[in-house]
Amino acid sequence: AQSVTQLGSHVSVSEGALVLLRCNYSSSVPPYLFWYVQYPNQGLQLLLKYTTGATLVKGINGFEAEFKKSETSFHLTKPSAHMSDAAEYFCAVTLRGGKLIFGQGTELSVKP
Amino acid sequence: DTAVSQTPKYLVTQMGNDKSIKCEQNLGHDTMYWYKQDSKKFLKIMFSYNNKELIINETVPNRFSPKSPDKAHLNLHINSLELGDSAVYFCASSPGTASYEQYFGPGTRLTVT
Repeated sequence: AQSVTQLGSHVSVSEGALVLLRCNYSSSVPPYLFWYVQYPNQGLQLLLKYTTGATLVKGINGFEAEFKKSETSFHLTKPSAHMSDAAEYFCAVTLRGGKLIFGQGTELSVKP
Repeated sequence: DTAVSQTPKYLVTQMGNDKSIKCEQNLGHDTMYWYKQDSKKFLKIMFSYNNKELIINETVPNRFSPKSPDKAHLNLHINSLELGDSAVYFCASSPGTASYEQYFGPGTRLTVT
């Protein structure tokens, strides 16, 4: 069965610093991978997705992620953090059928 | 012009009561979902409907019953509410089961006292 592990339930960075949120997955077949962001008291918003093709995918708000099959990873990065990036981030995997399996979430704090 | 909407946003009720949460999407999508987010923010799928047909039914107490009157609506009815049902419930939709991009509603925070 597929699963997702996010390393670090809480990550804190300074404004302007690199953001790196880690995600590893387990899947017996090629997965489709997603990052979602949840701002306080709001629903989830899709940041980016990997289905097939280019392994480096760019999303909204300057985020990008790279699918590395050999490492079963899909880490999320942003070169320079903004205060507005503070939120909960979820990595998710799905196989055909549309059932999303979420990681535990990583809370990103941005210090001024 | 909200894509996926849920009502109510907040729901406070007592143990033993029956309540419903409504979800509507105006994206023309064929597939809709219900997710539960617990106090530790863990998200888990509960149900999925495709064109009014139940296609995913996770291990959820049968006190929870989804109903899809048409493909734009997916409601969640909960009987005999328990303290452990307190959570945030999210509705989502996608163009189809082969389309993986899901659009989420704002959530309904259910508090059972």
